[in-house]
Amino acid sequence: QKEVEQNSGPLSVPEGAIASLNCTYSDRGSQSFFWYRQYSGKSPELIMFIYSNGDKEDGRFTAQLNKASQYVSLLIRDSQPSDSATYLCALNTGGFKTIFGAGTRLFVKA
Amino acid sequence: GAVVSQHPSWVICKSGTSVKIECRSLDFQATTMFWYRQFPKQSLMLMATSNEGSKATYEQGVEKDKFLINHASLTLSTLTVTSAHPEDSSFYICSARDIRDLAYNEQFFGPGTRLTVL
Repeated sequence: QKEVEQNSGPLSVPEGAIASLNCTYSDRGSQSFFWYRQYSGKSPELIMFIYSNGDKEDGRFTAQLNKASQYVSLLIRDSQPSDSATYLCALNTGGFKTIFGAGTRLFVKA
Repeated sequence: GAVVSQHPSWVICKSGTSVKIECRSLDFQATTMFWYRQFPKQSLMLMATSNEGSKATYEQGVEKDKFLINHASLTLSTLTVTSAHPEDSSFYICSARDIRDLAYNEQFFGPGTRLTVL
């Protein structure tokens, strides 16, 4: 089992819809969770991080963490074509390394 | 804040030559920097973890003699691809962790360096 699992997609949503991206992880000791966005040919950029169970909202983005079920999700409200990118889920178990998922490709259709 | 730069942004070199890539944290100090490689349509692959003043820790399968890492200061790490070959052509990305981050281990990424070996 991979340490961080994401559906590779592509996930296609119409403009204005809610995009839901999911991620599951195997290490129950994971402490910090991150969502990065990566446009084609560019490096990842941090969208938000979460470390407590529950929801964390930042503008159109909401991260949800459920440690008991070992999943973390990212909701994008009012999706825009500019949100089309690959979204990387990542986690840290308290050490130096951050473990990245393979990413989910999102397409927002205008 | 939390800006990481990389230089060069792209490089084309002949097979057999060595290429040095610099990674700098511009507005914070980083005891730890990370080097990743990403092939087209694939995920990030961690190559090594670079700690200031000590030897880098390489991931399994990464040749330390081929990918030389030096982290000489709290704001600079370099990756040298020695005797580069076409299969080394990839997108190399560094990231840095702020020395003040004691809890969350957030990484800030540089813009990446695209290496093409002819």
